[in-house]
Amino acid sequence: KQEVTQIPAALSVPEGENLVLNCSFTDSAIYNLQWFRQDPGKGLTSLLLIQSSQREQTSGRLNASLDKSSGRSTLYIAASQPGDSATYLCAVHNYNQGGKLIFGQGTELSVKP
Amino acid sequence: EAGVAQSPRYKIIEKRQSVAFWCNPISGHATLYWYQQILGQGPKLLIQFQNNGVVDDSQLPKDRFSAERLKGVDSTLKIQPAKLEDSAVYLCASSLGIDRVNTEAFFGQGTRLTVV
Repeated sequence: KQEVTQIPAALSVPEGENLVLNCSFTDSAIYNLQWFRQDPGKGLTSLLLIQSSQREQTSGRLNASLDKSSGRSTLYIAASQPGDSATYLCAVHNYNQGGKLIFGQGTELSVKP
Repeated sequence: EAGVAQSPRYKIIEKRQSVAFWCNPISGHATLYWYQQILGQGPKLLIQFQNNGVVDDSQLPKDRFSAERLKGVDSTLKIQPAKLEDSAVYLCASSLGIDRVNTEAFFGQGTRLTVV
Protein backbone atom coordinates (compact mmCIF):
# COMPACT_ATOMS: atom_id res chain seq x y z
CA LYS A 1 0.00 0.00 0.00
CA GLN A 2 1.43 3.35 -1.09
CA GLU A 3 2.20 5.83 1.66
CA VAL A 4 3.33 9.40 1.09
CA THR A 5 5.11 11.40 3.79
CA GLN A 6 6.03 15.08 3.81
CA ILE A 7 8.63 16.66 6.05
CA PRO A 8 8.53 19.12 7.70
CA ALA A 9 4.85 19.56 8.60
CA ALA A 10 5.39 23.30 9.01
CA LEU A 11 8.13 25.71 8.06
CA SER A 12 8.66 29.39 8.75
CA VAL A 13 11.36 31.33 6.91
CA PRO A 14 12.29 34.98 6.36
CA GLU A 15 11.63 36.52 2.98
CA GLY A 16 14.36 35.94 0.40
CA GLU A 17 15.51 32.60 1.74
CA ASN A 18 15.83 29.54 -0.49
CA LEU A 19 14.04 26.49 0.89
CA VAL A 20 13.43 22.80 0.26
CA LEU A 21 10.31 20.78 0.94
CA ASN A 22 10.59 17.01 1.11
CA CYS A 23 8.28 14.22 -0.02
CA SER A 24 8.86 10.48 0.27
CA PHE A 25 6.81 7.53 -0.98
CA THR A 26 7.00 3.81 -0.29
CA ASP A 27 6.11 2.25 -3.67
CA SER A 28 8.23 3.25 -6.65
CA ALA A 29 5.65 1.95 -9.19
CA ILE A 30 4.30 5.38 -10.06
CA TYR A 31 3.24 7.11 -13.27
CA ASN A 32 4.26 10.50 -12.00
CA LEU A 33 4.46 12.82 -9.01
CA GLN A 34 2.59 16.07 -8.73
CA TRP A 35 3.20 19.07 -6.44
CA PHE A 36 0.25 21.25 -5.45
CA ARG A 37 -0.27 24.49 -3.60
CA GLN A 38 -3.29 25.09 -1.37
CA ASP A 39 -4.22 28.50 0.01
CA PRO A 40 -6.48 28.63 3.09
CA GLY A 41 -10.08 27.82 2.21
CA LYS A 42 -9.21 27.13 -1.41
CA GLY A 43 -8.82 24.17 -3.71
CA LEU A 44 -5.52 22.75 -4.95
CA THR A 45 -3.46 24.42 -7.66
CA SER A 46 -1.12 22.21 -9.65
CA LEU A 47 2.46 23.54 -9.56
CA LEU A 48 4.58 20.88 -11.24
CA LEU A 49 4.20 17.36 -12.55
CA ILE A 50 7.22 15.08 -12.93
CA GLN A 51 6.77 11.95 -14.98
CA SER A 52 8.40 8.80 -13.63
CA SER A 53 11.05 8.86 -16.39
CA GLN A 54 12.10 12.43 -15.56
CA ARG A 55 14.52 13.69 -12.93
CA GLU A 56 13.30 17.26 -12.51
CA GLN A 57 10.92 19.96 -13.65
CA THR A 58 11.21 23.72 -13.35
CA SER A 59 8.67 26.51 -13.35
CA GLY A 60 9.86 29.99 -12.52
CA ARG A 61 11.32 29.98 -8.99
CA LEU A 62 10.20 26.39 -8.41
CA ASN A 63 12.26 23.30 -9.14
CA ALA A 64 11.04 19.79 -8.35
CA SER A 65 13.25 16.72 -8.45
CA LEU A 66 12.37 13.05 -8.43
CA ASP A 67 14.44 10.03 -7.43
CA LYS A 68 12.04 7.18 -8.05
CA SER A 69 14.41 4.43 -6.95
CA SER A 70 14.81 5.93 -3.47
CA GLY A 71 11.19 7.10 -3.28
CA ARG A 72 11.98 10.78 -2.80
CA SER A 73 11.05 14.13 -4.29
CA THR A 74 12.00 17.65 -3.32
CA LEU A 75 10.45 20.99 -4.12
CA TYR A 76 12.97 23.83 -4.14
CA ILE A 77 11.68 27.39 -3.86
CA ALA A 78 14.20 30.10 -4.66
CA ALA A 79 14.11 33.59 -3.18
CA SER A 80 10.94 33.00 -1.17
CA GLN A 81 8.28 35.74 -0.96
CA PRO A 82 5.39 36.32 1.47
CA GLY A 83 3.03 35.37 -1.37
CA ASP A 84 4.52 31.87 -1.31
CA SER A 85 2.88 31.29 2.08
CA ALA A 86 0.53 28.33 1.65
CA THR A 87 0.34 24.58 2.19
CA TYR A 88 2.32 22.50 -0.30
CA LEU A 89 1.15 18.98 -1.05
CA CYS A 90 2.80 16.23 -3.03
CA ALA A 91 0.87 13.35 -4.56
CA VAL A 92 1.81 10.24 -6.53
CA HIS A 93 -0.19 8.56 -9.28
CA ASN A 94 0.08 4.86 -8.54
CA TYR A 95 0.76 2.50 -11.44
CA ASN A 96 -0.51 -0.56 -9.62
CA GLN A 97 -3.71 1.03 -8.36
CA GLY A 98 -5.43 2.32 -11.49
CA GLY A 99 -3.71 5.69 -11.41
CA LYS A 100 -4.94 6.34 -7.88
CA LEU A 101 -3.66 9.72 -6.70
CA ILE A 102 -2.33 9.50 -3.14
CA PHE A 103 -1.42 12.56 -1.11
CA GLY A 104 0.97 13.40 1.67
CA GLN A 105 -0.12 15.44 4.66
CA GLY A 106 1.36 18.67 3.34
CA THR A 107 3.91 21.23 4.51
CA GLU A 108 2.53 24.53 5.77
CA LEU A 109 4.91 27.27 4.68
CA SER A 110 5.01 30.75 6.16
CA VAL A 111 7.32 33.36 4.61
CA LYS A 112 7.80 36.35 6.90
CA PRO A 113 8.38 39.82 5.40
CA GLU B 1 -10.23 26.29 -20.87
CA ALA B 2 -12.75 26.14 -18.06
CA GLY B 3 -11.60 24.44 -14.86
CA VAL B 4 -13.32 21.94 -12.60
CA ALA B 5 -16.58 23.38 -11.31
CA GLN B 6 -18.03 22.47 -7.93
CA SER B 7 -21.15 23.56 -6.10
CA PRO B 8 -22.10 24.63 -3.57
CA ARG B 9 -19.01 26.34 -2.10
CA TYR B 10 -20.29 26.12 1.46
CA LYS B 11 -22.94 24.05 3.21
CA ILE B 12 -24.05 23.88 6.83
CA ILE B 13 -26.39 21.08 7.86
CA GLU B 14 -27.52 19.39 11.04
CA LYS B 15 -26.40 15.86 11.84
CA ARG B 16 -28.61 13.14 10.36
CA GLN B 17 -29.61 15.41 7.46
CA SER B 18 -28.61 14.63 3.89
CA VAL B 19 -26.47 16.70 1.52
CA ALA B 20 -25.33 16.48 -2.09
CA PHE B 21 -22.35 17.97 -3.88
CA TRP B 22 -22.00 18.47 -7.61
CA CYS B 23 -18.90 18.42 -9.82
CA ASN B 24 -18.44 19.20 -13.49
CA PRO B 25 -14.96 18.14 -14.69
CA ILE B 26 -12.88 19.71 -17.41
CA SER B 27 -14.35 18.90 -20.81
CA GLY B 28 -12.94 15.68 -22.23
CA HIS B 29 -11.52 14.41 -18.94
CA ALA B 30 -12.34 10.75 -18.49
CA THR B 31 -11.13 10.39 -14.91
CA LEU B 32 -12.94 12.02 -12.01
CA TYR B 33 -11.93 11.90 -8.33
CA TRP B 34 -13.73 12.85 -5.12
CA TYR B 35 -11.57 13.60 -2.08
CA GLN B 36 -12.34 14.39 1.54
CA GLN B 37 -9.96 16.80 3.29
CA ILE B 38 -10.26 17.20 7.03
CA LEU B 39 -8.68 20.34 8.47
CA GLY B 40 -4.92 19.96 8.81
CA GLN B 41 -4.73 16.75 6.81
CA GLY B 42 -3.97 15.78 3.24
CA PRO B 43 -6.85 14.87 0.90
CA LYS B 44 -8.16 11.31 1.18
CA LEU B 45 -9.56 9.63 -1.91
CA LEU B 46 -13.21 8.64 -1.57
CA ILE B 47 -13.96 7.44 -5.09
CA GLN B 48 -12.38 7.44 -8.54
CA PHE B 49 -14.34 7.12 -11.79
CA GLN B 50 -13.05 6.27 -15.24
CA ASN B 51 -15.81 7.52 -17.56
CA ASN B 52 -18.93 6.26 -15.75
CA GLY B 53 -17.27 3.22 -14.15
CA VAL B 54 -15.83 3.04 -10.64
CA VAL B 55 -12.06 2.40 -10.48
CA ASP B 56 -11.64 2.65 -6.70
CA ASP B 57 -14.12 3.23 -3.89
CA SER B 58 -12.29 1.34 -1.17
CA GLN B 59 -12.35 4.29 1.25
CA LEU B 60 -15.91 5.39 0.61
CA PRO B 61 -18.12 4.81 3.69
CA LYS B 62 -20.79 3.08 1.69
CA ASP B 63 -23.32 2.95 4.52
CA ARG B 64 -23.76 6.71 4.24
CA PHE B 65 -21.88 7.98 1.17
CA SER B 66 -22.82 7.41 -2.44
CA ALA B 67 -21.56 8.81 -5.71
CA GLU B 68 -22.57 8.57 -9.31
CA ARG B 69 -21.28 9.77 -12.63
CA LEU B 70 -24.07 9.34 -15.11
CA LYS B 71 -23.10 9.64 -18.79
CA GLY B 72 -19.44 9.87 -17.78
CA VAL B 73 -19.46 13.65 -17.39
CA ASP B 74 -20.59 15.42 -14.23
CA SER B 75 -20.83 13.70 -10.87
CA THR B 76 -22.76 13.91 -7.61
CA LEU B 77 -21.55 12.89 -4.16
CA LYS B 78 -24.21 12.36 -1.49
CA ILE B 79 -24.07 11.90 2.26
CA GLN B 80 -27.10 10.47 4.04
CA PRO B 81 -27.30 10.72 7.02
CA ALA B 82 -24.48 13.11 7.88
CA LYS B 83 -22.38 12.79 11.02
CA LEU B 84 -20.35 15.42 12.84
CA GLU B 85 -17.11 13.79 11.63
CA ASP B 86 -18.14 14.40 8.02
CA SER B 87 -17.27 18.08 8.47
CA ALA B 88 -14.54 18.62 5.90
CA VAL B 89 -13.79 20.07 2.49
CA TYR B 90 -14.91 17.87 -0.38
CA LEU B 91 -12.70 18.24 -3.42
CA CYS B 92 -13.38 17.12 -6.95
CA ALA B 93 -10.59 16.62 -9.48
CA SER B 94 -10.31 15.41 -13.05
CA SER B 95 -7.67 14.21 -15.47
CA LEU B 96 -7.58 13.16 -19.10
CA GLY B 97 -6.95 9.55 -18.13
CA ILE B 98 -4.95 7.21 -15.94
CA ASP B 99 -2.02 6.30 -18.16
CA ARG B 100 1.50 7.68 -17.98
CA VAL B 101 0.87 10.73 -20.14
CA ASN B 102 -2.59 11.80 -19.08
CA THR B 103 -2.68 11.64 -15.28
CA GLU B 104 -2.14 15.33 -14.40
CA ALA B 105 -5.00 16.16 -12.05
CA PHE B 106 -6.81 19.48 -11.81
CA PHE B 107 -8.92 20.40 -8.79
CA GLY B 108 -12.01 22.45 -8.20
CA GLN B 109 -12.40 25.00 -5.39
CA GLY B 110 -14.03 22.47 -3.10
CA THR B 111 -17.17 22.43 -0.98
CA ARG B 112 -16.74 23.17 2.72
CA LEU B 113 -19.26 21.11 4.71
CA THR B 114 -20.02 21.87 8.34
CA VAL B 115 -22.20 19.41 10.24
CA VAL B 116 -23.64 20.78 13.50
